Formats: sequence, structure tokens, C-alpha cells
Amino acid sequence: AQSVTQLGSHVSVSEGALVLLRCNYSSSVPPYLFWYVQYPNQGLQLLLKYTTGATLVKGINGFEAEFKKSETSFHLTKPSAHMSDAAEYFCAVLNAGGTSYGKLTFGQGTILTVHP
Amino acid sequence: GAVVSQHPSRVICKSGTSVKIECRSLDFQATTMFWYRQFPKQSLMLMATSNEGSKATYEQGVEKDKFLINHASLTLSTLTVTSAHPEDSSFYICSAPQGVGTEAFFGQGTRLTVV
Repeated sequence: AQSVTQLGSHVSVSEGALVLLRCNYSSSVPPYLFWYVQYPNQGLQLLLKYTTGATLVKGINGFEAEFKKSETSFHLTKPSAHMSDAAEYFCAVLNAGGTSYGKLTFGQGTILTVHP
Repeated sequence: GAVVSQHPSRVICKSGTSVKIECRSLDFQATTMFWYRQFPKQSLMLMATSNEGSKATYEQGVEKDKFLINHASLTLSTLTVTSAHPEDSSFYICSAPQGVGTEAFFGQGTRLTVV
């Protein structure tokens, strides 16, 4: 079984500061990993994904994440926070194989607050 | 990216009535769609997997007779909440993968309030 743990349900940063949202996963097979962002009362928007290849992946809105197999981590970062980054962020792992492709297991979510 | 459209975005209904939520893949065919439920301040929990032309697969603890899923075409899946109760009030989100090993694209979600 696969699982995802996001460390910290709330993260608060100042505008212009580094954003770091932590995600650790558990998977018996090489994982496909994703970060999604959710604004209030909206669906989820894909920020970035890791499938194979380069372990540092860049996404939309200046976000990036690095897959570290040895640490089973996929932390999300952004060098400089903007007010518009305030939202809830979910890390997810794709269910491996079989007929359940596309099924995601989500972490608990991290609410990012950005202060002026 | 691919587009998944979900309607309605908000619905208020009376206890005991049924509500239908639609999820459409607009620019690709989705043989599989997923239905998630999200309680306030919580993560998304998978309710069921909708398979075109066959019965849905429900997660443990989800009542299949209460949450009816129909996936009659390659672009449309529906979730019907039958005999709704206030505890069914939640945010429901559908998603569809575009292919094997790809991410799922999400609908906009439906905020259901049962009064």
C-alpha cells in the first residue's frame, strides 16, 4: 500500500520568503508523485509531477520539487512567496499499476498563509 | 492540460431528496473516473472508481446504494446522492486520468449542503 505524509498542516511565511512544504511517501514500487494546489471551494490544480528522469522538477507559478529516493521525500519549494500563493497544497502518490491507474493517495494537506 | 468539467458547483437540497452531480471529460475520453469526498479542513478521500460500461468499485465504508455512480459514456460519469442527509454535506470532486501512468485532472468540485 502507498501512503503520503505531509509534515505541518499549516505553514506561514512572509511575502518574498522561501516556501518549503514537506512531503514524505511510502511506496513498494517506484512512485509517481504529484503536488496539487486547491483554492477555497475549488477543485485541484496540478502544480508539478515526478514520474521518471530528472529528480528536480519544475512546475507552474515558480514552484519546484525534488524527488529524493533515499529520503522518500518530495518537498515542494518556491524561492519567493507571493500573496497569491496562499492556498492549500496536497502531495499525492499515484496508485501503481493494475486497473487503478489514475487513483491518487493524498497527504493530509498543508495550508500556506502568506503575510505581507 | 486536459479539461474535466463538474456541475453543479454548488447545490442545496432538502433532507430526503436526491442530488445528481455530473463529471465530464471535455477533450479526452475517460474510461475511468474517480469520485472523492472532502470534509472541511481534511484531505480528499476516494469514494469510488467509476468504470465506463461496468459497475463502479466502491471504497470500504462507502454505501453503494446511497452513492450511485453511472459511467454511461467515455466522457460522462455521474454521482447521485440518494436520500440525502445533513451528514452528506461535503465537497465532492471528480477526477479523470488521461492515460496510464498520468496524473488525474480534476473537476471544479461540488459543494453539497443538505438542509
